[in-house]
Amino acid sequence: DTGVSQNPRHKITKRGQNVTFRCDPISEHNRLYWYRQTLGQGPEFLTYFQNEAQLEKSRLLSDRFSAERPKGSFSTLEIQRTEQGDSAMYLCASSLEGLIRSEKLFFGSGTQLSVL
Amino acid sequence: RKEVEQDPGPFNVPEGATVAFNCTYSNSASQSFFWYRQDCRKEPKLLMSVYSSGNEDGRFTAQLNRASQYISLLIRDSKLSDSATYLCVGMNTGFQKLVFGTGTRLLVSP
Repeated sequence: DTGVSQNPRHKITKRGQNVTFRCDPISEHNRLYWYRQTLGQGPEFLTYFQNEAQLEKSRLLSDRFSAERPKGSFSTLEIQRTEQGDSAMYLCASSLEGLIRSEKLFFGSGTQLSVL
Repeated sequence: RKEVEQDPGPFNVPEGATVAFNCTYSNSASQSFFWYRQDCRKEPKLLMSVYSSGNEDGRFTAQLNRASQYISLLIRDSKLSDSATYLCVGMNTGFQKLVFGTGTRLLVSP
């Protein structure tokens, strides 16, 4: 499978616990994005990387959220001290070069987080 | 105000009908627009790009009106398989990220 891969597909956790999600982009893609989607809403931008550099973080990304892409390949998104409001689908996407050259974002299947 | 706004629907149409969705955007500096399709519990996928001159792909036609800051998607001869959520998407200035609308849900019935 050469698409964007996300793990786990589903995560159920108790409020206050830490969770970490992983995203493996398409291998030659150097742009990697994290979005969050709640029911009835479109995906909301969280952050993106150009290779290993995190270039922008949304105000939605509180200090409980941290994302890394240490070697410019896979990325992790960690949420500390989860809250019920963090329950959402976390989508990862990648693109070849910047969007000015490649209009298409390839999305993974997402990680569905439920905080009890 | 959201940067990209859409009517969430749902739009219920019979097979064979023509249906049109509009969306409006607030950032006049936005350069590029797209329609993405999202099936239930699946990831969004690019349907088509939107150009001022109009863009047609089979039964789908997309149009951009910069003066009025709205984008449209027309689906002709609707199929059951067209049932999905259609996301209106803008690219921000600097071409760094895509901004999604809330999506419009389409239900095509037999």
